[in-house]
Amino acid sequence: DAGVIQSPRHEVTEMGQEVTLRCKPISGHDYLFWYRQTMMRGLELLIYFNNNVPIDDSGMPEDRFSAKMPNASFSTLKIQPSEPRDSAVYFCASGERSEAFFGQGTRLTVV
Amino acid sequence: AQKITQTQPGMFVQEKEAVTLDCTYDTSDPSYGLFWYKQPSSGEMIFLIYQGSYDQQNATEGRYSLNFQKARKSANLVISASQLGDSAMYFCAMRESGTGNQFYFGTGTSLTVIP
Repeated sequence: DAGVIQSPRHEVTEMGQEVTLRCKPISGHDYLFWYRQTMMRGLELLIYFNNNVPIDDSGMPEDRFSAKMPNASFSTLKIQPSEPRDSAVYFCASGERSEAFFGQGTRLTVV
Repeated sequence: AQKITQTQPGMFVQEKEAVTLDCTYDTSDPSYGLFWYKQPSSGEMIFLIYQGSYDQQNATEGRYSLNFQKARKSANLVISASQLGDSAMYFCAMRESGTGNQFYFGTGTSLTVIP
């Protein structure tokens, strides 16, 4: 397996634009997590899914953020409209009970 | 209360020596898992080792071992024979079965290996 695949690796966008981050989890994993990492706040859990169903989205900052998992092999995190304070590295991770692997992350810069 | 506490923001170790990175956790769930991740300067998060709350023996993976002291709620990572490539941020994390397997991360420890 190629591991957790995230795209794009880097994204630079203007304030107000819509941004969509993509994640392909490891096949067979039943959990998928979206995290945001910044110097100020460290790693923050945004939302996670179990068997494609959102379990806890209490970490999603505000209504501008939304996440979907239409099937077991794909998830998206959308920010609309984006703001400069959304600039961060966004990680997707997938796992089972005793393991969880992260993707390479998407570095988002909103100017 | 913090679920995961890493009290060492930064650590230094001489190459080839062993180093212990501290992690304490807080949970009332009898079923949980403890994880350690390495994040080098390139930014990726690398899974290192896992310890289940019911595991009788301390987990080991190559040069990594987890010193699991359940009564003290600590899960320290021990890296033996440090290498320059071990310089990175290290994160301790916990998953509780009772909270739907949500992941809690500590604030991390920055390890620098000195030649």
